Amino acid sequence: QKEVEQDPGPLSVPEGAIVSLNCTYSNSAFQYFMWYRQYSRKGPELLMYTYSSGNKEDGRFTAQVDKSSKYISLFIRDSQPSDSATYLCASNSGGYNKLIFGAGTRLAVHP
Amino acid sequence: GAVVSQHPSRVICKSGTSVKIECRSLDFQATTMFWYRQFPKQSLMLMATSNEGSKATYEQGVEKDKFLINHASLTLSTLTVTSAHPEDSSFYICSASDGYSNQPQHFGDGTRLSIL
Repeated sequence: QKEVEQDPGPLSVPEGAIVSLNCTYSNSAFQYFMWYRQYSRKGPELLMYTYSSGNKEDGRFTAQVDKSSKYISLFIRDSQPSDSATYLCASNSGGYNKLIFGAGTRLAVHP
Repeated sequence: GAVVSQHPSRVICKSGTSVKIECRSLDFQATTMFWYRQFPKQSLMLMATSNEGSKATYEQGVEKDKFLINHASLTLSTLTVTSAHPEDSSFYICSASDGYSNQPQHFGDGTRLSIL
């Protein structure tokens, strides 16, 4: 079993839709949870960063962490074609520790 | 926000050449840097972790004599692919951490390496 599981998709939605991206993890030591967005031929860009359980909102993006079920979610409201990218969830037990990535979900938002 | 610069962004060279990739933290001191490799449509695969002033820690299956890592200062780490061959062609990405547990890692924009 991988430490972080993520459905690779692809996921195709119409513009304006609410997108839900999810990951599960198995390591109870994970305390920090991240979502990165990666455009083709670019490095990952940090979208959301949360510590422990709870919700965090930033504009159209909401990240949720449920440590009891080891479940990580990212919601994108009012999705735009510019949101088309690969979304990677990642976890670790501290910023200086290595990140464990999910497989990445490819998202396509069509006009 | 924290900025990590990676150079060059693209390299095309002949088989047998050694290639050096630089990773710089521009606005913070990076006590730890990470090097990843990514194949098309796949996730990032960690190759090694480097701490400033000490030897890098390589992941299982990564040849340390093939992929030389130097982290001589708090703002610069380099990855040298020695005697590169076509199978080394890939997308190499670095990330940097300021060493505080509550701060995320930030990534460079990657280097696309093509060995002919």
